[in-house]
Amino acid sequence: DAKTTQPTSMDCAEGRAANLPCNHSTISGNEYVYWYRQIHSQGPQYIIHGLKNNETNEMASLIITEDRKSSTLILPHATLRDTAVYYCIVRGYFGNEKLTFGTGTRLTIIP
Amino acid sequence: EPEVTQTPSHQVTQMGQEVILRCVPISNHLYFYWYRQILGQKVEFLVSFYNNEISEKSEIFDDQFSVERPDGSNFTLKIRSTKLEDSAMYFCASSDRGNEQFFGPGTRLTVL
Repeated sequence: DAKTTQPTSMDCAEGRAANLPCNHSTISGNEYVYWYRQIHSQGPQYIIHGLKNNETNEMASLIITEDRKSSTLILPHATLRDTAVYYCIVRGYFGNEKLTFGTGTRLTIIP
Repeated sequence: EPEVTQTPSHQVTQMGQEVILRCVPISNHLYFYWYRQILGQKVEFLVSFYNNEISEKSEIFDDQFSVERPDGSNFTLKIRSTKLEDSAMYFCASSDRGNEQFFGPGTRLTVL
């Protein structure tokens, strides 16, 4: 599995956009970038995934660089409920492939 | 909105005892997984299950562990003889096409 590198922690003011970076310089051509988050000790929650195009859903936007070696997760208007650990995971698209979690980025939203 | 459910939410057991952790995946999902998270550590993959058989298992998933889909709705993880180091949060997940995995709330297993 390709490895990812994320900052250990970040702060963001409530109402502002939270931009979470991730480096995945060894990603291979058929691997996707997935983002999950874990609020306190709850089960991880899927946020978004992408291959090479930018993606947007109701939760977030995912910007992947043209060379695919890095990406940024954007939470457009962060709320206190977005305080969580965010995981960037590189994974193949096959259904039975596992998720390999790193230590993620602990995002704290400041009131 | 459909969700993965897990029971019990907390299980306390004595070392050497057998435990069964239960999960009800989202209906019509085809891929099933177990992960665990020891307090303060990363979420670790245990096993994936598809078409009534194990697809992949990690080194953690040794002979003490087994999984079963006894009927059309439940997905269970059995630990035959628990050890102190099995104390962790155990998360079940399911997926329909294998892209996004939906996780349950977890079962906290405490081995005394």
